[in-house]
Amino acid sequence: DAGITQSPRHKVTETGTPVTLRCHQTENHRYMYWYRQDPGHGLRLIHYSYGVKDTDKGEVSDGYSVSRSKTEDFLLTLESATSSQTSVYFCAISEGLAGVQYFGPGTRLTVT
Amino acid sequence: GQQVMQIPQYQHVQEGEDFTTYCNSSTTLSNIQWYKQRPGGHPVFLIQLVKSGEVKKQKRLTFQFGEAKKNSSLHITATQTTDVGTYFCAVPNFGNEKLTFGTGTRLTIIP
Repeated sequence: DAGITQSPRHKVTETGTPVTLRCHQTENHRYMYWYRQDPGHGLRLIHYSYGVKDTDKGEVSDGYSVSRSKTEDFLLTLESATSSQTSVYFCAISEGLAGVQYFGPGTRLTVT
Repeated sequence: GQQVMQIPQYQHVQEGEDFTTYCNSSTTLSNIQWYKQRPGGHPVFLIQLVKSGEVKKQKRLTFQFGEAKKNSSLHITATQTTDVGTYFCAVPNFGNEKLTFGTGTRLTIIP
């Protein structure tokens, strides 16, 4: 497996609280992605990054922000968590935008 | 974004039976990727197809890219319990090249 870690792996939080998920890679890949996975919806792209401080929205970006201050780290922030953001969040990396993606182990987030 | 339909959504088979999942697009694809996700795990890349009519094999798995490059299939011969999981196809969006994942086919095996 590619060197990708996510933290935390599990989190339970209350509605309205801020939450930050971290993705860390050791592969020096240019592109990093955040997906959410929900039953019946497959993998949906939230945001992605194509370089340090370069990010763009995906198909389900509302309520989420991201930051990439270093090549190896990509942060996903829920400014004010809602129950609809209960999901499993995956980080992925790739060398090219349409290239093979390598996924982290995932973070299971529950918003109560 | 790119629309890709994956069927079936679920498939239950007896161990030893064959399994096939299909990915269909309304537009011509430059390539298609296949991933497998074990229960509780993360998606793992299996293969990429690029050429029209391409067929690739990995042991009991056969991947095919249609002649018109609008569809693809993944066929597993004589399923085993280790094949359990969800199989996703992924295609580049026309124009911006970001990958769009299909909704997946969940395979369960009846021992």
